[in-house]
Amino acid sequence: KQEVTQIPAALSVPEGENLVLNCSFTDSAIYNLQWFRQDPGKGLTSLLLIQSSQREQTSGRLNASLDKSSGRSTLYIAASQPGDSATYLCAVIPLGGSYIPTFGRGTSLIVHP
Amino acid sequence: KAGVTQTPRYLIKTRGQQVTLSCSPISGHRSVSWYQQTPGQGLQFLFEYFSETQRNKGNFPGRFSGRQFSNSRSEMNVSTLELGDSALYLCASSSKVDGREQYFGPGTRLTVT
Repeated sequence: KQEVTQIPAALSVPEGENLVLNCSFTDSAIYNLQWFRQDPGKGLTSLLLIQSSQREQTSGRLNASLDKSSGRSTLYIAASQPGDSATYLCAVIPLGGSYIPTFGRGTSLIVHP
Repeated sequence: KAGVTQTPRYLIKTRGQQVTLSCSPISGHRSVSWYQQTPGQGLQFLFEYFSETQRNKGNFPGRFSGRQFSNSRSEMNVSTLELGDSALYLCASSSKVDGREQYFGPGTRLTVT
């Protein structure tokens, strides 16, 4: 059974810092990995999807990497801003068939001015 | 285009009762998935419907059921509510046949007392 772990569970940083959020998974078979953002009381917003054959994806200040051999993914946030405050979740998604993700518990991020 | 809407947003029920939650997907989306999010278990996949048929089901007891109508709107039902059913229930819709590229609704917060 796939298990997804996210470290740290919570993070509080001053504005401007560069951040690294970690995601590890137990089954490193062929999967895609997706990072989401969840704001309080709201649903999930997809940030980045790394295909199984890729090693990283970038969008603006966000960069996500995937190392299947070690079962790890990292989300790098550059020059953090208060608007980045949210919970970040990673999800491992099996290839083929339907979309049935296994989520981590998330990292709760607070960026204070 | 309107996003995914879920009703009601908040709900309080008593143990033993049953509850029905509703999800209206983005217009044109035929795939609707349901998730349960709790502090203890995190975000877990419940089931997915496509064209009125349940395609996939997560590891939840039979008290959790759902259906999808011809207009793609979906309902989720939980019977004989337990305290542990208190959670945020999220619905997501997709225009993809395999259910990928999901767009999430804001969720229904269910409290069981």
